[in-house]
Amino acid sequence: KQEVTQIPAALSVPEGENLVLNCSFTDSAIYNLQWFRQDPGKGLTSLLLIQSSQREQTSGRLNASLDKSSGRSTLYIAASQPGDSATYLCAVLGNQGGKLIFGQGTELSVKP
Amino acid sequence: KAGVTQTPRYLIKTRGQQVTLSCSPISGHRSVSWYQQTPGQGLQFLFEYFSETQRNKGNFPGRFSGRQFSNSRSEMNVSTLELGDSALYLCASSLVGGAETQYFGPGTRLLVL
Repeated sequence: KQEVTQIPAALSVPEGENLVLNCSFTDSAIYNLQWFRQDPGKGLTSLLLIQSSQREQTSGRLNASLDKSSGRSTLYIAASQPGDSATYLCAVLGNQGGKLIFGQGTELSVKP
Repeated sequence: KAGVTQTPRYLIKTRGQQVTLSCSPISGHRSVSWYQQTPGQGLQFLFEYFSETQRNKGNFPGRFSGRQFSNSRSEMNVSTLELGDSALYLCASSLVGGAETQYFGPGTRLLVL
């Protein structure tokens, strides 16, 4: 049974810092891994999707990497801003398709 | 393109009642998935529909059901509501439900009293 873990559960950093969020999964048989952002009380915004054959994806100040063999992904945020404050969720799509398995999220707070 | 829309945004019900939530996917998307989000359990998969057929189902009791219409719009129904059904219900759409990006709606927040 696939399990997804995110560490840390919460993180507070001063504005301008570079930071790394971690995601690990127990079953390497995945189609892809997706990172989302969720603002309080809102839906999920897709940030990056990494296919199982890829090693990383970049979008602006965000870079996500994937190491399937070790069951790990990281989300790197450069030059953090207060507007980055949100909960970040990673989710894997297994070989059974259609069903995303989510981690519990990392709640990020960027202080001005 | 308009994003995924969900109605209603907020609902208050009492135990024993039933509720129907609606989701309209992005135009051209044929796969719709539903998730339940609670503080204790996080995000959990309910079911996925593609071309009016349920293709995947999560580990939820039979009180939770859904359907998809020919225009890809989807509804989920929860019968005999329990306090523990209070949650944010999110739907997501994608082109065909394969290994492509899933786009989420804003959710319906259900409170059961």
